[in-house]
Amino acid sequence: DGGITQSPKYLFRKEGQNVTLSCEQNLNHDAMYWYRQDPGQGLRLIYYSQIVNDFQKGDIAEGYSVSREKKESFPLTVTSAQKNPTAFYLCASSGIQRNTEAFFGQGTRLTVV
Amino acid sequence: KNQVEQSPQSLIILEGKNCTLQCNYTVSPFSNLRWYKQDTGRGPVSLTIMTFSENTKSNGRYTATLDADTKQSSLHITASQLSDSASYICVVSAQPGGSYIPTFGRGTSLIVHP
Repeated sequence: DGGITQSPKYLFRKEGQNVTLSCEQNLNHDAMYWYRQDPGQGLRLIYYSQIVNDFQKGDIAEGYSVSREKKESFPLTVTSAQKNPTAFYLCASSGIQRNTEAFFGQGTRLTVV
Repeated sequence: KNQVEQSPQSLIILEGKNCTLQCNYTVSPFSNLRWYKQDTGRGPVSLTIMTFSENTKSNGRYTATLDADTKQSSLHITASQLSDSASYICVVSAQPGGSYIPTFGRGTSLIVHP
């Protein structure tokens, strides 16, 4: 089935450790995005990429890093520099044509203890 | 700066009742507006898309309206069901050629009680 897959669904890490969240899509979408969602808050853009080997910072990029070596994959690393990393992370992908729809993964809930 | 504001922040209604959610935006130049439904702990799923020339679009019990002049949209839910309990997110995209990144509202949390 075509879709966008995030893994793992739940992730626990100790404070000070880097952690990488996976996002893979087989929809042949050019654009991919990472969002963070905190309780009672809307989605905030972390990073996005519209083409392989290129990505742009979103509104809250500090403490995060990404790579886009393949069209299908857009992993997000939460570094130890991120002061409050516990959150729900959503990955999305879309075409770059007019009126294209963004499809979301099921999310990864990261808890840092 | 492109912004999307949604109201109310949260809403509680009884099963079977109707409700209307609001979305105001300042995204320019406008390309399209989507309403997404997000169940707790899941990714958002698109309900409707509206372009500049469309005023109303329905998807089952969901009806979205768009007033491009006042930059307002609404999502009307008819005969609510318990499964409608979710967060509803308004997303507005700018035209290609501008920064073609969707701008998300914070969502309206809807709770339907039996």
